[in-house]
Amino acid sequence: KNQVEQSPQSLIILEGKNCTLQCNYTVSPFSNLRWYKQDTGRGPVSLTIMTFSENTKSNGRYTATLDADTKQSSLHITASQLSDSASYICVVSPVYYGNNRLAFGKGNQVVVIP
Amino acid sequence: DAGITQSPRYKITETGRQVTLMCHQTWSHSYMFWYRQDLGHGLRLIYYSAAADITDKGEVPDGYVVSRSKTENFPLTLESATRSQTSVYFCASSESGGTNEKLFFGSGTQLSVL
Repeated sequence: KNQVEQSPQSLIILEGKNCTLQCNYTVSPFSNLRWYKQDTGRGPVSLTIMTFSENTKSNGRYTATLDADTKQSSLHITASQLSDSASYICVVSPVYYGNNRLAFGKGNQVVVIP
Repeated sequence: DAGITQSPRYKITETGRQVTLMCHQTWSHSYMFWYRQDLGHGLRLIYYSAAADITDKGEVPDGYVVSRSKTENFPLTLESATRSQTSVYFCASSESGGTNEKLFFGSGTQLSVL
């Protein structure tokens, strides 16, 4: 069973609108939760990294939240732009293992239309 | 600032052939990783390296060989390619093995095994 589940699998939004992506995880204990953006044909690029003690982290129009009690995270995109069309990947790092035991979600595919 | 580069960008090969994917980073990062990305799966770790001449298996190492004679290079070899190895391969690096270290990805190699 996948340790990181993301929803919705895909969504289409109008340019200028907001959207929220969900990530549920079972990795425990964990040291941090990350969100990556992956443009088509490119490698993932880090958006945010939150340690287990952080509740929110922003990067421009991207805001990630974390609820360690319910094991849920969300990524909120404000005032979407066409360049936000991408896959957004939730990644959880278990305690003690660093980057060699990361648990990756399958991604949320976002398409922004004019 | 070249960062992390992968070559070739695209590769088509035949079943049974040996193929090597190249990865080069200019940051002198200690850790390097190879992942594969397939539809329906999150990124999966093939091999990783903590330093020159130190490598270890990841989640899906079968059929792959790695080496790291220099810090900046981390080639991945498929000794006898199979159709199931058709995938997009990503190389990544991080400065150290710390649990909160950011991971930097290359642009990927799309490999098709016919």
